[in-house]
Amino acid sequence: GESVGLHLPTLSVQEGDNSIINCAYSNSASDYFIWYKQESGKGPQFIIDIRSNMDKRQGQRVTVLLNKTVKHLSLQIAATQPGDSAVYFCAESQAGTALIFGKGTTLSVSS
Amino acid sequence: EAEVAQSPRYKITEKSQAVAFWCDPISGHATLYWYRQILGQGPELLVQFQDESVVDDSQLPKDRFSAERLKGVDSTLKIQPAELGDSAMYLCASSGWTDDIQYFGAGTRLSVL
Repeated sequence: GESVGLHLPTLSVQEGDNSIINCAYSNSASDYFIWYKQESGKGPQFIIDIRSNMDKRQGQRVTVLLNKTVKHLSLQIAATQPGDSAVYFCAESQAGTALIFGKGTTLSVSS
Repeated sequence: EAEVAQSPRYKITEKSQAVAFWCDPISGHATLYWYRQILGQGPELLVQFQDESVVDDSQLPKDRFSAERLKGVDSTLKIQPAELGDSAMYLCASSGWTDDIQYFGAGTRLSVL
């Protein structure tokens, strides 16, 4: 079936750097995309979402970019902090249906 | 801040035993999801409820798994009998009418010995 994948399984950055986590999706019918942060032993925590009628959405220190032409999603984290260290998942869905998750990218932030 | 409540947090059982997990969604959320997450992978849907009705249980192994949401509020997921391959994190999520954001609970970590 359709699934969402991530380009890199791990990403290591220095504190204060900007981080970019990428995701490719394959279902052109998906109209809703979302990023979660998951710390060890905890459930996924909502970060930011975007609908297919938008290209960019900003939150606090985070920006999501959606490129529907190449089916690509990215999460940008500004001024990355040690507390940002976690596994990041992107997920896709069609409105009202369950999310389809990728495998995740582990972000490690060193101080 | 409203949260999705799950219990127990951890469960250790022997294969062939029965186990049950409980979830209480955020108040007012009509849609409830159960996901299973194997270590190192993303969550995968087991069952989706809209109020008390099952919307999608196509990935639920119905020979051993069952789920109910009798009053359209809290939900129970049961496995009987448990198998070694069922060891995983079982996550509950809920969403409301105002947006599509699914909010997750802390999960139940199941270990089958």
